[in-house]
Amino acid sequence: DTAVSQTPKYLVTQMGNDKSIKCEQNLGHDTMYWYKQDSKKFLKIMFSYNNKELIINETVPNRFSPKSPDKAHLNLHINSLELGDSAVYFCASSQEGRRNGYTFGSGTRLTVV
Amino acid sequence: RKEVEQDPGPFNVPEGATVAFNCTYSNSASQSFFWYRQDCRKEPKLLMSVYSSGNEDGRFTAQLNRASQYISLLIRDSKLSDSATYLCVVNFGSGGYQKVTFGTGTKLQVIP
Repeated sequence: DTAVSQTPKYLVTQMGNDKSIKCEQNLGHDTMYWYKQDSKKFLKIMFSYNNKELIINETVPNRFSPKSPDKAHLNLHINSLELGDSAVYFCASSQEGRRNGYTFGSGTRLTVV
Repeated sequence: RKEVEQDPGPFNVPEGATVAFNCTYSNSASQSFFWYRQDCRKEPKLLMSVYSSGNEDGRFTAQLNRASQYISLLIRDSKLSDSATYLCVVNFGSGGYQKVTFGTGTKLQVIP
């Protein structure tokens, strides 16, 4: 069973479109995250949700809107896609109090053309 | 000073060599530390947590130096399969709020 699964794995879309990436974890973790890894491989946190509540919202354009229907799901919706949004987006989860770090999904490679 | 800083490398080492990476962090209140490994076009995977007293897992040894604000990773008897990018992770906060910062990674290439 995949612990953190995100879909789609690849997404190619035109500028100006709206797209969503879905993430689900079956680990029972209480915190989920979205990270962006750009072409320079720098991994930067975008959002963090703890038990469906937004905890961290780094400096991210408001075209990016996370939604957590329950603590096992954290989706990312992006409006009006721009060329600079091209990157790999990773979903991750963790459990407060445990020293097991963060479990990542396999990533969604977004290409905006 | 960057929150978390690593030498990007690449470190090119022969099989069987010992190699060490350091990672410095700026927030003295940081509470937990990890080393992750990321293979090309794959997700980061937890290599090991870093404990205050230092810890070892097979060929890998992690150390924390709070006074100088750095963590280290030592790999003994390098294998070709160790070739990857090693990311240092620093966590600040507790409860619902945790600020997680990744270093930019150190690339290791083990050569035959």
